[in-house]
Amino acid sequence: KNEVEQSPQNLTAQEGEFITINCSYSVGISALHWLQQHPGGGIVSLFMLSSGKKKHGRLIATINIQEKHSSLHITASHPRDSAVYICAVWNSGGSNYKLTFGKGTLLTVNP
Amino acid sequence: NAGVMQNPRHLVRRRGQEARLRCSPMKGHSHVYWYRQLPEEGLKFMVYLQKENIIDESGMPKERFSAEFPKEGPSILRIQQVVRGDSAAYFCASSPQRVGSEQFFGPGTRLTVL
Repeated sequence: KNEVEQSPQNLTAQEGEFITINCSYSVGISALHWLQQHPGGGIVSLFMLSSGKKKHGRLIATINIQEKHSSLHITASHPRDSAVYICAVWNSGGSNYKLTFGKGTLLTVNP
Repeated sequence: NAGVMQNPRHLVRRRGQEARLRCSPMKGHSHVYWYRQLPEEGLKFMVYLQKENIIDESGMPKERFSAEFPKEGPSILRIQQVVRGDSAAYFCASSPQRVGSEQFFGPGTRLTVL
Protein backbone atom coordinates (compact mmCIF):
# COMPACT_ATOMS: atom_id res chain seq x y z
CA LYS A 1 0.00 0.00 0.00
CA ASN A 2 1.34 3.42 -0.97
CA GLU A 3 2.06 5.87 1.81
CA VAL A 4 0.14 8.53 -0.12
CA GLU A 5 -3.14 7.67 -1.83
CA GLN A 6 -5.12 10.01 -4.05
CA SER A 7 -8.69 9.75 -5.27
CA PRO A 8 -10.08 9.77 -7.78
CA GLN A 9 -7.38 8.74 -10.27
CA ASN A 10 -9.30 10.37 -13.09
CA LEU A 11 -11.93 13.10 -12.94
CA THR A 12 -13.93 14.66 -15.76
CA ALA A 13 -16.03 17.75 -15.13
CA GLN A 14 -17.98 20.38 -17.00
CA GLU A 15 -16.81 23.96 -16.93
CA GLY A 16 -18.12 25.74 -13.86
CA GLU A 17 -18.38 22.66 -11.66
CA PHE A 18 -16.93 22.45 -8.15
CA ILE A 19 -14.05 19.96 -8.01
CA THR A 20 -12.69 18.00 -5.05
CA ILE A 21 -9.55 15.88 -5.09
CA ASN A 22 -8.64 13.85 -2.03
CA CYS A 23 -5.34 12.77 -0.52
CA SER A 24 -4.87 10.30 2.34
CA TYR A 25 -1.55 9.38 3.87
CA SER A 26 -0.47 6.72 6.32
CA VAL A 27 2.62 8.28 7.88
CA GLY A 28 3.22 11.15 10.27
CA ILE A 29 3.97 14.27 8.32
CA SER A 30 5.36 17.71 8.95
CA ALA A 31 3.71 19.30 5.90
CA LEU A 32 1.87 18.52 2.68
CA HIS A 33 2.28 19.88 -0.85
CA TRP A 34 -0.29 20.15 -3.61
CA LEU A 35 1.33 20.31 -7.05
CA GLN A 36 0.00 20.83 -10.56
CA GLN A 37 1.46 19.27 -13.70
CA HIS A 38 0.17 19.99 -17.19
CA PRO A 39 0.64 17.18 -19.76
CA GLY A 40 4.23 17.18 -20.92
CA GLY A 41 4.86 20.18 -18.72
CA GLY A 42 6.65 21.17 -15.58
CA ILE A 43 5.46 21.02 -12.01
CA VAL A 44 4.03 24.01 -10.20
CA SER A 45 3.66 24.21 -6.45
CA LEU A 46 0.10 25.25 -5.54
CA PHE A 47 0.11 24.99 -1.76
CA MET A 48 2.21 23.88 1.15
CA LEU A 49 0.27 23.42 4.37
CA SER A 50 0.62 21.78 7.75
CA SER A 51 -2.73 22.67 9.30
CA GLY A 52 -6.08 24.24 8.54
CA LYS A 53 -6.90 25.75 5.21
CA LYS A 54 -5.32 27.89 2.50
CA LYS A 55 -6.95 29.73 -0.40
CA HIS A 56 -5.48 31.12 -3.57
CA GLY A 57 -7.90 32.42 -6.16
CA ARG A 58 -10.29 29.61 -7.07
CA LEU A 59 -8.18 26.99 -5.31
CA ILE A 60 -8.68 25.92 -1.70
CA ALA A 61 -6.63 23.33 0.18
CA THR A 62 -7.54 21.85 3.54
CA ILE A 63 -5.78 19.40 5.80
CA ASN A 64 -6.93 17.34 8.79
CA ILE A 65 -3.82 16.10 10.60
CA GLN A 66 -5.76 13.80 12.96
CA GLU A 67 -7.52 12.06 10.08
CA LYS A 68 -4.40 12.14 7.86
CA HIS A 69 -6.38 13.61 5.00
CA SER A 70 -6.18 16.61 2.72
CA SER A 71 -8.47 17.93 0.01
CA LEU A 72 -7.92 20.26 -2.92
CA HIS A 73 -10.99 22.13 -4.12
CA ILE A 74 -11.41 24.08 -7.34
CA THR A 75 -14.37 26.42 -7.56
CA ALA A 76 -15.89 27.47 -10.91
CA SER A 77 -13.63 25.06 -12.81
CA HIS A 78 -12.29 26.07 -16.21
CA PRO A 79 -10.75 24.05 -19.07
CA ARG A 80 -7.36 25.59 -18.26
CA ASP A 81 -7.54 23.77 -14.89
CA SER A 82 -7.12 20.49 -16.81
CA ALA A 83 -3.94 18.95 -15.45
CA VAL A 84 -2.59 16.29 -13.12
CA TYR A 85 -2.82 17.27 -9.46
CA ILE A 86 -0.28 15.64 -7.18
CA CYS A 87 -0.25 15.38 -3.41
CA ALA A 88 3.14 15.05 -1.71
CA VAL A 89 4.11 14.81 1.96
CA TRP A 90 7.18 15.38 4.10
CA ASN A 91 7.52 12.33 6.35
CA SER A 92 8.15 13.61 9.88
CA GLY A 93 9.52 10.29 11.04
CA GLY A 94 12.97 10.66 9.62
CA SER A 95 14.47 12.67 6.79
CA ASN A 96 11.87 15.37 6.48
CA TYR A 97 13.27 16.83 3.28
CA LYS A 98 12.19 13.82 1.24
CA LEU A 99 8.87 14.24 -0.48
CA THR A 100 6.70 11.16 -0.94
CA PHE A 101 4.26 11.57 -3.80
CA GLY A 102 0.83 10.27 -4.64
CA LYS A 103 0.26 8.98 -8.16
CA GLY A 104 -1.75 12.02 -9.13
CA THR A 105 -5.30 12.80 -10.21
CA LEU A 106 -5.89 13.57 -13.88
CA LEU A 107 -8.51 16.32 -14.13
CA THR A 108 -10.21 17.12 -17.42
CA VAL A 109 -12.56 20.08 -17.53
CA ASN A 110 -14.71 20.22 -20.64
CA PRO A 111 -16.08 23.51 -22.01
CA ASN B 1 13.86 36.37 -10.42
CA ALA B 2 14.29 33.33 -12.64
CA GLY B 3 12.85 30.06 -11.49
CA VAL B 4 14.58 26.70 -11.42
CA MET B 5 16.16 26.04 -14.78
CA GLN B 6 16.87 22.67 -16.33
CA ASN B 7 18.56 21.79 -19.56
CA PRO B 8 18.23 20.24 -21.91
CA ARG B 9 14.44 20.01 -21.93
CA HIS B 10 14.58 16.95 -24.16
CA LEU B 11 17.48 14.53 -24.52
CA VAL B 12 17.73 11.53 -26.80
CA ARG B 13 20.47 8.97 -26.25
CA ARG B 14 21.26 5.55 -27.66
CA ARG B 15 21.77 2.62 -25.33
CA GLY B 16 25.25 2.71 -23.81
CA GLN B 17 25.73 6.46 -24.14
CA GLU B 18 25.99 8.92 -21.26
CA ALA B 19 23.30 11.42 -20.29
CA ARG B 20 24.06 14.65 -18.41
CA LEU B 21 21.18 16.62 -17.00
CA ARG B 22 21.70 20.11 -15.58
CA CYS B 23 19.81 22.02 -12.96
CA SER B 24 20.31 25.63 -11.90
CA PRO B 25 18.44 26.37 -8.65
CA MET B 26 16.57 29.56 -7.94
CA LYS B 27 18.71 32.47 -6.85
CA GLY B 28 19.48 32.19 -3.16
CA HIS B 29 18.64 28.48 -2.98
CA SER B 30 21.42 26.17 -1.89
CA HIS B 31 19.45 22.92 -1.65
CA VAL B 32 18.75 20.80 -4.72
CA TYR B 33 16.62 17.69 -5.11
CA TRP B 34 16.34 15.36 -8.08
CA TYR B 35 13.20 13.32 -8.83
CA ARG B 36 12.37 10.80 -11.53
CA GLN B 37 8.97 10.27 -13.10
CA LEU B 38 8.72 7.02 -15.03
CA PRO B 39 5.95 6.66 -17.62
CA GLU B 40 2.60 5.98 -15.94
CA GLU B 41 4.19 6.22 -12.48
CA GLY B 42 4.44 8.85 -9.79
CA LEU B 43 7.42 10.96 -8.90
CA LYS B 44 10.18 9.31 -6.89
CA PHE B 45 12.92 10.95 -4.85
CA MET B 46 16.44 10.29 -6.11
CA VAL B 47 18.96 12.51 -4.34
CA TYR B 48 19.29 15.59 -2.16
CA LEU B 49 22.35 17.83 -2.41
CA GLN B 50 23.73 20.97 -0.91
CA LYS B 51 26.66 22.86 -2.35
CA GLU B 52 29.56 20.40 -2.66
CA ASN B 53 27.75 17.79 -0.54
CA ILE B 54 25.51 14.83 -1.20
CA ILE B 55 23.17 14.69 1.78
CA ASP B 56 20.98 11.73 0.82
CA GLU B 57 21.26 9.57 -2.28
CA SER B 58 19.07 6.74 -1.02
CA GLY B 59 16.76 6.99 -4.06
CA MET B 60 19.54 6.67 -6.62
CA PRO B 61 20.06 3.37 -8.44
CA LYS B 62 23.26 1.79 -7.13
CA GLU B 63 25.02 1.73 -10.47
CA ARG B 64 25.44 4.13 -13.38
CA PHE B 65 23.81 7.13 -11.66
CA SER B 66 25.67 9.94 -9.94
CA ALA B 67 24.94 13.51 -8.93
CA GLU B 68 26.94 16.54 -7.95
CA PHE B 69 26.36 20.14 -6.98
CA PRO B 70 29.67 21.98 -7.24
CA LYS B 71 30.56 25.22 -5.54
CA GLU B 72 30.17 27.01 -8.86
CA GLY B 73 27.74 26.06 -11.59
CA PRO B 74 24.64 23.92 -11.87
CA SER B 75 23.84 20.60 -10.28
CA ILE B 76 24.47 17.67 -12.63
CA LEU B 77 22.71 14.33 -12.75
CA ARG B 78 24.80 11.90 -14.73
CA ILE B 79 23.63 8.59 -16.11
CA GLN B 80 26.30 6.37 -17.60
CA GLN B 81 25.65 3.59 -20.13
CA VAL B 82 21.97 4.42 -20.41
CA VAL B 83 19.40 1.68 -20.93
CA ARG B 84 15.83 1.89 -22.22
CA GLY B 85 14.49 1.70 -18.66
CA ASP B 86 16.14 5.05 -17.91
CA SER B 87 13.67 6.78 -20.23
CA ALA B 88 11.74 9.12 -17.96
CA ALA B 89 11.20 12.71 -16.99
CA TYR B 90 13.78 13.98 -14.51
CA PHE B 91 12.79 16.93 -12.37
CA CYS B 92 14.97 19.10 -10.24
CA ALA B 93 13.67 21.20 -7.34
CA SER B 94 15.35 23.73 -5.09
CA SER B 95 14.63 25.24 -1.71
CA PRO B 96 16.26 27.93 0.41
CA GLN B 97 16.46 25.77 3.51
CA ARG B 98 16.11 22.13 4.38
CA VAL B 99 13.54 21.41 7.00
CA GLY B 100 10.14 21.02 5.37
CA SER B 101 10.50 24.16 3.28
CA GLU B 102 8.63 24.61 0.04
CA GLN B 103 10.35 23.22 -2.99
CA PHE B 104 10.24 24.90 -6.38
CA PHE B 105 10.38 22.65 -9.41
CA GLY B 106 12.08 23.04 -12.74
CA PRO B 107 10.44 22.22 -16.09
CA GLY B 108 12.08 18.80 -16.24
CA THR B 109 14.28 16.98 -18.73
CA ARG B 110 12.60 14.29 -20.81
CA LEU B 111 15.15 11.57 -21.50
CA THR B 112 14.47 9.09 -24.28
CA VAL B 113 16.79 6.13 -24.72
CA LEU B 114 16.62 4.49 -28.15
